[in-house]
Amino acid sequence: GAVVSQHPSWVICKSGTSVKIECRSLDFQATTMFWYRQFPKQSLMLMATSNEGSKATYEQGVEKDKFLINHASLTLSTLTVTSAHPEDSSFYICSARDRTSGSLREQFFGPGTRLTVL
Amino acid sequence: AQKITQTQPGMFVQEKEAVTLDCTYDTSDPSYGLFWYKQPSSGEMIFLIYQGSYDQQNATEGRYSLNFQKARKSANLVISASQLGDSAMYFCASYNFNKFYFGSGTKLNVKP
Repeated sequence: GAVVSQHPSWVICKSGTSVKIECRSLDFQATTMFWYRQFPKQSLMLMATSNEGSKATYEQGVEKDKFLINHASLTLSTLTVTSAHPEDSSFYICSARDRTSGSLREQFFGPGTRLTVL
Repeated sequence: AQKITQTQPGMFVQEKEAVTLDCTYDTSDPSYGLFWYKQPSSGEMIFLIYQGSYDQQNATEGRYSLNFQKARKSANLVISASQLGDSAMYFCASYNFNKFYFGSGTKLNVKP
């Protein structure tokens, strides 16, 4: 099946710094990628939909100035957590849909990035 | 509102037995997909099975089968012949209106 990678797989940063997380579709093109946040023992919460060549669509309650999303190409979306604070510590997961597939089945998740803010 | 409900926070099953994980959904989108994912402690989301809203037959993938009852809006996952490695969190999800909606998850523990 198709592969989605995330980098880094884990990161520790100091409070107040910014962290960039990359999501790449390795063997397919994705016009749309999704970013999720998952707190311990909770479900995945959709943060935003990243659209190639246009602005991201943020879910209600997600600060777009804090979580900057850029979808510069059909294979890369980045999430930047700006001025990170300890409460931003979480597991961030991206997913992507194969744009050439007519089936809703073709959705692929990255392995996730564990962010710890000290 | 689009909603996925998993009413079993935790389940125990004896090794080699079958187990059913419940999932109900609510969507106004006539075209949707239903998914089950396994999430081990490492965090990766492992795809298990998919059912399209227009599929006539219940989906099966090896030891996994999806009991799709469209009128009842339920999409239960059946795992046959449970293995110790099946112990993990299981999430039911729907994809409709170009988004995923996830349930709260069920933690499955397989006992030896």
